[in-house]
Amino acid sequence: GQQVMQIPQYQHVQEGEDFTTYCNSSTTLSNIQWYKQRPGGHPVFLIQLVKSGEVKKQKRLTFQFGEAKKNSSLHITATQTTDVGTYFCAGRDMDSSYKLIFGSGTRLLVRP
Amino acid sequence: GAVVSQHPSRVICKSGTSVKIECRSLDFQATTMFWYRQFPKQSLMLMATSNEGSKATYEQGVEKDKFLINHASLTLSTLTVTSAHPEDSSFYICSVGGSNNSPLHFGNGTRLTVT
Repeated sequence: GQQVMQIPQYQHVQEGEDFTTYCNSSTTLSNIQWYKQRPGGHPVFLIQLVKSGEVKKQKRLTFQFGEAKKNSSLHITATQTTDVGTYFCAGRDMDSSYKLIFGSGTRLLVRP
Repeated sequence: GAVVSQHPSRVICKSGTSVKIECRSLDFQATTMFWYRQFPKQSLMLMATSNEGSKATYEQGVEKDKFLINHASLTLSTLTVTSAHPEDSSFYICSVGGSNNSPLHFGNGTRLTVT
């Protein structure tokens, strides 16, 4: 079945440093979404990418969707303590459009 | 986005008892709702897709007789964990949305602890 992996599993950075998480799918995706889950909370939708090679920005966050639509990345510039949480990518397989499969997640900790 | 209310937020029960979790879509008529389970420090795993007025669709490896899902109206889906055991202790989250590539909106989740 479809698998979505993320690396790294965990990253601890100093406030102000940059952070990147990478997402890789075993199958081609129709689109990819990114969610953030704060400790003890529920996932909150950040953004959706649909087009091959698409790049979107939200303030200090930059999201990319690979040309082959099998990978994606989230880059945070100059991390802040409010960025703490687990970031999940989630993708829909081309053949199973109703089902959203979540990646393994990257847990970000930021030292003040 | 859709507002999703999930209740209870936390429940502790004894082994062998059943627990019902409610998921309400407050401002969105949801013909489909999704139930996820998340173990500590792990990802969200889709358990089942709840379909209004018909049977739920369960993912491989999820026992339909253990995790009973009812979706009787466009605003309410329930998940009942029957004869709960300690290994069922987890964070259960429902969500709505997802059609036409729209994002999922999650409830606040239910943390189940089975003693």
